[in-house]
Amino acid sequence: EAGVAQSPRYKIIEKRQSVAFWCNPISGHATLYWYQQILGQGPKLLIQFQNNGVVDDSQLPKDRFSAERLKGVDSTLKIQPAKLEDSAVYLCASSPDRGRIYEQYFGPGTRLTVT
Amino acid sequence: KQEVTQIPAALSVPEGENLVLNCSFTDSAIYNLQWFRQDPGKGLTSLLLIQSSQREQTSGRLNASLDKSSGRSTLYIAASQPGDSATYLCAVLPGNAGNMLTFGGGTRLMVKP
Repeated sequence: EAGVAQSPRYKIIEKRQSVAFWCNPISGHATLYWYQQILGQGPKLLIQFQNNGVVDDSQLPKDRFSAERLKGVDSTLKIQPAKLEDSAVYLCASSPDRGRIYEQYFGPGTRLTVT
Repeated sequence: KQEVTQIPAALSVPEGENLVLNCSFTDSAIYNLQWFRQDPGKGLTSLLLIQSSQREQTSGRLNASLDKSSGRSTLYIAASQPGDSATYLCAVLPGNAGNMLTFGGGTRLMVKP
């Protein structure tokens, strides 16, 4: 079974620029999560999707961050415009909709550096 | 609001030593607790998941315990090896079984040959 795929793996941009990250969850997983992990801290949930609907986006800075999951499969996370404090690793995770529904499987992450 | 703390933040031990990593959480109304491993530049790998009704889980040289009433969990690693060097994160799932994991800051472990 293929794992969660993310791209790009690394991205360097200047502040005020825009950036987008892509995630492809494990096949058949209905729930998809985006996390932000700042260096030296644990991941923080930004947004959770169930199929193509948003379940929780309470910690998403909506003035600059947006996310979508068209057709309930792949997802993109966008930052526009980026700030220095957005430098972090952005992790995508997915979980199944039956069986071990509370286990999350993580992708390798995208490391964003804002200069 | 649930807060998860891990102590120590960093730990360095010689190969072969047994060690304990600590995790504490402020709200005991949890559904489960998970321990993850994170290698540099990589995502998280789930090591052990303990349901709120369980006291411990074991996998190979790893043993995780849960004391929900005191808001504590420990991860015991037996006979540590250099390959165990990584960051270890604990995370709790709320008792209402929503899927919002709350993570601790992690313990960065270095096992020296």
